[in-house]
Amino acid sequence: EAGVTQSPTHLIKTRGQQATLRCSPISGHTSVYWYQQALGLGLQFLLWYDEGEERNRGNFPPRFSGRQFPNYSSELNVNALELEDSALYLCASSLFRWGNTEAFFGQGTRLTVV
Amino acid sequence: EDKVVQSPLSLVVHEGDTVTLNCSYEVTNFRSLLWYKQEKKAPTFLFMLTSSGIEKKSGRLSSILDKKELSSILNITATQTGDSAIYLCAVNNAGNMLTFGGGTRLMVKP
Repeated sequence: EAGVTQSPTHLIKTRGQQATLRCSPISGHTSVYWYQQALGLGLQFLLWYDEGEERNRGNFPPRFSGRQFPNYSSELNVNALELEDSALYLCASSLFRWGNTEAFFGQGTRLTVV
Repeated sequence: EDKVVQSPLSLVVHEGDTVTLNCSYEVTNFRSLLWYKQEKKAPTFLFMLTSSGIEKKSGRLSSILDKKELSSILNITATQTGDSAIYLCAVNNAGNMLTFGGGTRLMVKP
């Protein structure tokens, strides 16, 4: 069974541009979470999607947005990129919305803003 | 706001040593606590703890939750160089949101 897949693996953008990151959850998982991990820092919660809807978002500006498609895959969009957006972006998926199930992570997208 | 604090921030040991990593939390409507190991990119799942006092074990790794003290420990016995990683603790609240601690960076020297 395929795990969580993210694309692209690496992304280099210039300041002011937009970046789109993609995530495909494990088959059957309906919840997708996005996290930002800047160099040397912990995982900061960005967004949570479940059943196609945004359920929660972390303390990030509105230029961080996303969506979840009917097949439960998800996109994270970052507009007006800033240098400090350079980080590893991790996506995780889980099976049940309200149950005690673990979240599984993808390999991440390394975004570099120059 | 939910909060998860891990200690120590970093740890250097030699192969064969036993280590104990700590995680404390403040969370509204606690549901579960999870431990992950992050070596290069993707954190890999280790344990999920929901009940206080019940130890979960996998090989040389074990973990236990103390709901009264709002904390958990992760033990690694007979450490090996392959255990070198960042260990992440996360708590899941009733809203099913995972809040992560800053991690403990473990280095095991030969």
